[in-house]
Amino acid sequence: QVQLVQSGAEVKKPGASVRVSCKASGYTFTSYYMHWVRQAPGQGLEWMGIINPSAGGTNYAQKFQGRVTMTRDTSTSTVYMELSSLRSEDTAVYFCARVYSDKWSPFDYWGQGTLVTVSS
Amino acid sequence: EIVLTQSPGTLSLSPGERASLSCRASQSVSSISLAWYQQKPGQAPRLLIYGVSSRATGIPDRFSGSGSGTDFTLTISRLEPEDFAVYYCQQYGSSPFTFGQGTKLEIK
Repeated sequence: QVQLVQSGAEVKKPGASVRVSCKASGYTFTSYYMHWVRQAPGQGLEWMGIINPSAGGTNYAQKFQGRVTMTRDTSTSTVYMELSSLRSEDTAVYFCARVYSDKWSPFDYWGQGTLVTVSS
Repeated sequence: EIVLTQSPGTLSLSPGERASLSCRASQSVSSISLAWYQQKPGQAPRLLIYGVSSRATGIPDRFSGSGSGTDFTLTISRLEPEDFAVYYCQQYGSSPFTFGQGTKLEIK
């Protein structure tokens, strides 16, 4: 069965960087794009970007351009999301989510979420 | 960027009643690229409806989606206790992939 297992909660100071991992299993890793979505406490869902696990190409939301980097390791079927220059407003749960079929399709499997807390 | 506006913000209903949730887009949504998700506290979102009206795997038929262009609706025909949650619409036909702000469905 398809599973996306994310890394554990992180506490970071303002200005630092955080890297969250998402390990996929149960399907062919390189065949499905992966998105990152975040959710601030009590707030809605915010799309951050997408990565093609096959070629490594990425597309980021303009809001995060210059601060976010999405990468993948095909040998371990893992995608990574690194966010730099953290500020308190980046405190959120970060989810990875797999597409249903091609790039332009809904998100059918989600990781369990990783809480990132930014606090001095 | 396509902005999705959901209404109402909160909907208070009783089990057994019918729920209608609205999602309005700032411009026409490409093709049939509109989905609905359900999210319960402490959980990841769950895909309910995609392509405006297709139910995802394992979703009961009391959930249905409709609409076109800029106006979409999620209908839950008879509410079960487990249906009380937050619902989000999403468009995935153009980048950035955007979500509505959510509708909280609460027990009256």
